[in-house]
Amino acid sequence: SQQGEEDPQALSIQEGENATMNCSYKTSINNLQWYRQNSGRGLVHLILIRSNEREKHSGRLRVTLDTSKKSSSLLITASRAADTASYFCALSTNAGGTSYGKLTFGQGTILTVHP
Amino acid sequence: GAGVSQSPRYKVAKRGQDVALRCDPISGHVSLFWYQQALGQGPEFLTYFQNEAQLDKSGLPSDRFFAERPEGSVSTLKIQRTQQEDSAVYLCASSLLMSEQYFGPGTRLTVT
Repeated sequence: SQQGEEDPQALSIQEGENATMNCSYKTSINNLQWYRQNSGRGLVHLILIRSNEREKHSGRLRVTLDTSKKSSSLLITASRAADTASYFCALSTNAGGTSYGKLTFGQGTILTVHP
Repeated sequence: GAGVSQSPRYKVAKRGQDVALRCDPISGHVSLFWYQQALGQGPEFLTYFQNEAQLDKSGLPSDRFFAERPEGSVSTLKIQRTQQEDSAVYLCASSLLMSEQYFGPGTRLTVT
C-alpha cells in the first residue's frame, strides 16, 4: 500500500503537554505533508517536508523525516485546546508515473487536548 | 483572501438521482484535485486536472462519476444514479504545480 500508516490512532493530552504523532510508509516519496482537520471543517495544510530534508519547523510544529526508516513524526509543543483535531500525513509520490503532486493520505490521528 | 470554495456545502439526494458538485479553486492555481472522504477515514484521491486537462482519473470509483474543468478554472464533479455508498464528503483542492494543496470546505453528500 502507498498509504501512510499513522500512530497512534487517538491521543488525549492536557493543555501545555507535547503531542507526537507518527507516520510510516512503504514507498519512495517526493515529499510528505501534514494536514489538520477540525470537526466539520476542511483540511488545513501544516507543513511540507521534501525527501531530501530531515527536519522542518513552523511555530509550535516540528516535523522530522527519516527516509531510511520511511517514517515521519509531527510534534506539537505546548499544546492548546484549539489544537484538538484530526491530523493526517499525506504522501506525494511518483507512483504510476505521476509527478503532479497527487496525495495519498493516512487514516489520521485524532488529537484531543483537554483544557 | 479568497480560498477554495465549494458548493453546495450539503446535499441530500435520493438513491438514483444525479448530483453535481462545484469547486472554485484559488485563482491562478494550475492544479485541481478531487478527493472523497468517508466518515472516520482519510481523503482518497479521485481525479486530477492540470488546467483543463484531466490527467488522472484513476481514483474515480465507477463510470457513474464524471469530472470536468472546461476552462481550466471552475470544476464540477458529477455523480449519476447515486448509490448509498456514494455518501461521503467530497473535497476539492487546488495548488500550484507540485506544491502544497489548499482544500475547500467540502460538500457532504448524503444519499438516502
